[in-house]
Amino acid sequence: ILNVEQSPQSLHVQEGDSTNFTCSFPSSNFYALHWYRWETAKSPEALFVMTLNGDEKKKGRISATLNTKEGYSYLYIKGSQPEDSATYLCALRNQGGKLIFGQGTELSVKP
Amino acid sequence: DAEITQSPRHKITETGRQVTLACHQTWNHNNMFWYRQDLGHGLRLIHYSYGVQDTNKGEVSDGYSVSRSNTEDLPLTLESAASSQTSVYFCASSEALGGELFFGEGSRLTVL
Repeated sequence: ILNVEQSPQSLHVQEGDSTNFTCSFPSSNFYALHWYRWETAKSPEALFVMTLNGDEKKKGRISATLNTKEGYSYLYIKGSQPEDSATYLCALRNQGGKLIFGQGTELSVKP
Repeated sequence: DAEITQSPRHKITETGRQVTLACHQTWNHNNMFWYRQDLGHGLRLIHYSYGVQDTNKGEVSDGYSVSRSNTEDLPLTLESAASSQTSVYFCASSEALGGELFFGEGSRLTVL
């Protein structure tokens, strides 16, 4: 069973702070790593799909890096805004194409 | 616009009843998935399908079944609902194997 771990479990920051959180996974079972953003009362929405070691992806103030050799990915948010408040999920794609999700990092940004 | 829809959005049922949650997507995606969301567990995979007549068990498949008779639909059936199946259920689809998932809005099921 693949074990995808995210840390921290929750994070509270002030508006304007930059923040980052971690997704760890078994490096031997890597095919792709997904990041999703999940706002309360909505559905998860994809942020990034990353496949190559050293990949860096960016969307606005949000960026992600990937290290497949050591089994981790970082998600960064620069200058957090209240609208960034959400749960951020990472998911590891296994050999069969399934996505196994971590438990998520819940981000709260206070104005 | 293409979309993925779930119904019902909210349902309350009694222990032992059969319940079916519908999932319908108009993207013509071959890959469809059912997840359940519970506090402390994140999203856990129940069943998935890679095409018509194909169904596979996920991490938490006991007590659930799915069928795939066409590309658009993957209904999830609870044969005999149990209180442990009280949860929020999300259907998702993807175009490519292992590709970005597109989620429905979720179905909240309460089993009394």
